[in-house]
Amino acid sequence: DTGVSQDPRHKITKRGQNVTFRCDPISEHNRLYWYRQTLGQGPEFLTYFQNEAQLEKSRLLSDRFSAERPKGSFSTLEIQRTEQGDSAMYLCASSLSIGGPETQYFGPGTRLLVL
Amino acid sequence: QKEVEQNSGPLSVPEGAIASLNCTYSDRGSQSFFWYRQYSGKSPELIMSIYSNGDKEDGRFTAQLNKASQYVSLLIRDSQPSDSATYLCAVNRDYKLSFGAGTTVTVRA
Repeated sequence: DTGVSQDPRHKITKRGQNVTFRCDPISEHNRLYWYRQTLGQGPEFLTYFQNEAQLEKSRLLSDRFSAERPKGSFSTLEIQRTEQGDSAMYLCASSLSIGGPETQYFGPGTRLLVL
Repeated sequence: QKEVEQNSGPLSVPEGAIASLNCTYSDRGSQSFFWYRQYSGKSPELIMSIYSNGDKEDGRFTAQLNKASQYVSLLIRDSQPSDSATYLCAVNRDYKLSFGAGTTVTVRA
């Protein structure tokens, strides 16, 4: 399977714990995005990378959230001191930016439940 | 005003009928437009993209874009039970996607 992959697929944690999610984009894609989706809503943009550079962070991304893409390949999203409001589906997407319209392809998501 | 608004569902259509989904957006600088399908508990799956005014057809799906009216629509012809899902309208400016809340479609046999 050459699509976007995410790990883990499900995570249950207790409030106050730290969690880390991983995303592996489609191999030739240079852009990688993180979104968050809560029940009944569409995905909301969190942040994106062009190669290894993080180019924008949404206001939704509090100081407890940090994302990296160290070698321009896979990315990690860490949430520190989790809160119950962090419970959501965290979606990763990737695209190939070569000028012109881009299409973002989504991974299967990581479903986080904070107890 | 939300950036992307979709007609509220749920939308129930009989098998074989046409399902019509609508979406409006507020940012006139939006450059590209997408419809994603999302089954319950799964991630969004791209079904259509459209970049210029007019219609674009792909199998049983037709997307329509009217930039002057800031309006995007999706028609699903010959609806099948497997089309039962939530359909998300997404609008792209520069890099990030802004999504509507989705319209849930149920195709009844």
